[in-house]
Amino acid sequence: GAGVSQSPSNKVTEKGKDVELRCDPISGHTALYWYRQSLGQGLEFLIYFQGNSAPDKSGLPSDRFSAERTGGSVSTLTIQRTQQEDSAVYLCASTTGYEQYFGPGTRLTVT
Amino acid sequence: SQELEQSPQSLIVQEGKNLTINCTSSKTLYGLYWYKQKYGEGLIFLMMLQKGGEEKSHEKITAKLDEKKQQSSLHITASQPSHAGIYLCGADNQAGTALIFGKGTTLSVSS
Repeated sequence: GAGVSQSPSNKVTEKGKDVELRCDPISGHTALYWYRQSLGQGLEFLIYFQGNSAPDKSGLPSDRFSAERTGGSVSTLTIQRTQQEDSAVYLCASTTGYEQYFGPGTRLTVT
Repeated sequence: SQELEQSPQSLIVQEGKNLTINCTSSKTLYGLYWYKQKYGEGLIFLMMLQKGGEEKSHEKITAKLDEKKQQSSLHITASQPSHAGIYLCGADNQAGTALIFGKGTTLSVSS
């Protein structure tokens, strides 16, 4: 069956520009997560959506980062006024239980 | 906050050799997950451990959680080139809303 998909797979942007990253979770998965993987930093949690509940935004590093999930399905992570330190691989995961299924990620490079 | 420390950071083994990767938590683990990641791909779930002393195996990979639930090990028997990748341990965060990950162990298998 279809797994978690993310787009674009790669994004190069200039410092100061806004970017949008998209995640299509597995159909029927109620929980959706965004993580960021930076060189030397490992994987860090950004935000968590569960059904219609208010999202857990405790991992967002600054107010330049925001995310939404429409209709309990597709999610978009938006980074405003990108900075070079935002360069990383952004991973999305979805689940109905304990096993999180990860997408292939979006590699963001801020020049 | 909880931290997961993995050792070694990287490992090169000859094909056919056994190896062990360790994951140590600063706090009691209530759910310990092992994932594998290949470059440019998302994370692939391997195993989850919850109970002290629990041990699970899948093909040539065995994961254990110690009785105190603060340390886990991942053991690969008779390694193959297909085992190469980054192995990550993860644990439920305090709120139970996401996973905290170790920084990963990069495994290379030489043939």
